Amino acid sequence: QQQVKQSPQSLIVQKGGIPIINCAYENTAFDYFPWYQQFPGKGPALLIAIRPDVSEKKEGRFTISFNKSAKQFSLHIMDSQPGDSATYFCAASTRGGNTGKLIFGQGTTLQVKP
Amino acid sequence: GAVVSQHPSRVICKSGTSVKIECRSLDFQATTMFWYRQFPKQSLMLMATSNEGSKATYEQGVEKDKFLINHASLTLSTLTVTSAHPEDSSFYICSARGRLGTDTQYFGPGTRLTVL
Repeated sequence: QQQVKQSPQSLIVQKGGIPIINCAYENTAFDYFPWYQQFPGKGPALLIAIRPDVSEKKEGRFTISFNKSAKQFSLHIMDSQPGDSATYFCAASTRGGNTGKLIFGQGTTLQVKP
Repeated sequence: GAVVSQHPSRVICKSGTSVKIECRSLDFQATTMFWYRQFPKQSLMLMATSNEGSKATYEQGVEKDKFLINHASLTLSTLTVTSAHPEDSSFYICSARGRLGTDTQYFGPGTRLTVL
């Protein structure tokens, strides 16, 4: 029940395309859902995060869509660029007793072709 | 803001030696720091959670005598891999979270450990 399932494992799009990465969870106590971007040999960098009281959040070219009833959330990258080629991780956590530790999805390797 | 550093970025050691990795929050006070391990092409695996001034909480299956964590101040946590063996070779990443009640974790750049 603590798992976050992420798909697809890998994704290839052309420059300008809109890759979509999906995540699903079971634990209804999760109330914070961040997305991280990681380049090879680097630590993850926070891209955008959402709480379950909103259904969508946009920051620049990155949008999170959140479906509370389906327990699913997704990342959309608008006008994707070759520089967006990286591994993307979704995650989830709860406030309170467990000190907010993040449960990560399996990761999606994105390649944006020029 | 919210910069987390790690030192060293890369370390190679002989089997049986101990290695210390430092994690520092440079521009904020980190009440909680987390240590992760990441194998190639895999996700991040949480090893332990440390709160300043108290003992670390280890995840199931992580040997606390093997991976010693100290969070002595609000800006510094250290991970010591004791008696390292080749199977301990991995990418170790720390993250830091600010004051209680905030959710955002900021990650360090990671430390590549290679045990020969």
